[in-house]
Amino acid sequence: GENVEQHPSTLSVQEGDSAVIKCTYSDSASNYFPWYKQELGKRPQLIIDIRSNVGEKKDQRIAVTLNKTAKHFSLHITETQPEDSAVYFCAASLYNNNDMRFGAGTRLTVKP
Amino acid sequence: DGGITQSPKYLFRKEGQNVTLSCEQNLNHDAMYWYRQDPGQGLRLIYYSQIVNDFQKGDIAEGYSVSREKKESFPLTVTSAQKNPTAFYLCASSIDRTNTQYFGPGTRLTVL
Repeated sequence: GENVEQHPSTLSVQEGDSAVIKCTYSDSASNYFPWYKQELGKRPQLIIDIRSNVGEKKDQRIAVTLNKTAKHFSLHITETQPEDSAVYFCAASLYNNNDMRFGAGTRLTVKP
Repeated sequence: DGGITQSPKYLFRKEGQNVTLSCEQNLNHDAMYWYRQDPGQGLRLIYYSQIVNDFQKGDIAEGYSVSREKKESFPLTVTSAQKNPTAFYLCASSIDRTNTQYFGPGTRLTVL
């Protein structure tokens, strides 16, 4: 089955800097890659996702890139703000939620 | 943050007791899911249901049971057979098995 690895487990950046979180997956057939943000004590929320027919997707300060050949995808946050501080999870699936596998999470801290 | 709710927020259980976690959604979603979240690990799928009166085991179903008698409700029972039940439990729902999952606020279960 699918296995997703996420790095780093913790990341600390200065406000205004960029943050990059990377995930690798094992099943080359996976074709859907969402990213979730979980603030302390709150529920995970989808922030951006990408499908396998697209190499990059942007939404304001957030972007995700996908390299299907290398089987990795990354989350990029530019101009980070303290409110970006949270745990971020990547996931990969074969387009069915019951197949979805999650990374272990990255705790991002943005220092003011 | 409305639409999918979980109760209670915190739950304490003595060893040997069964306990039931509630998950309700008013989003008219067909699919519902239960995940377990442990520190340093990604979300792991316990059970999922794609439609009323149907449910399937996920990756870590041992020691858990579910029912789906109504579209809006998907309760999870943690039985005494679950060896290490202390964890954060997240319920999610989606329109169908291929669409975005929306998570509930979670229940933190502690076994005393």
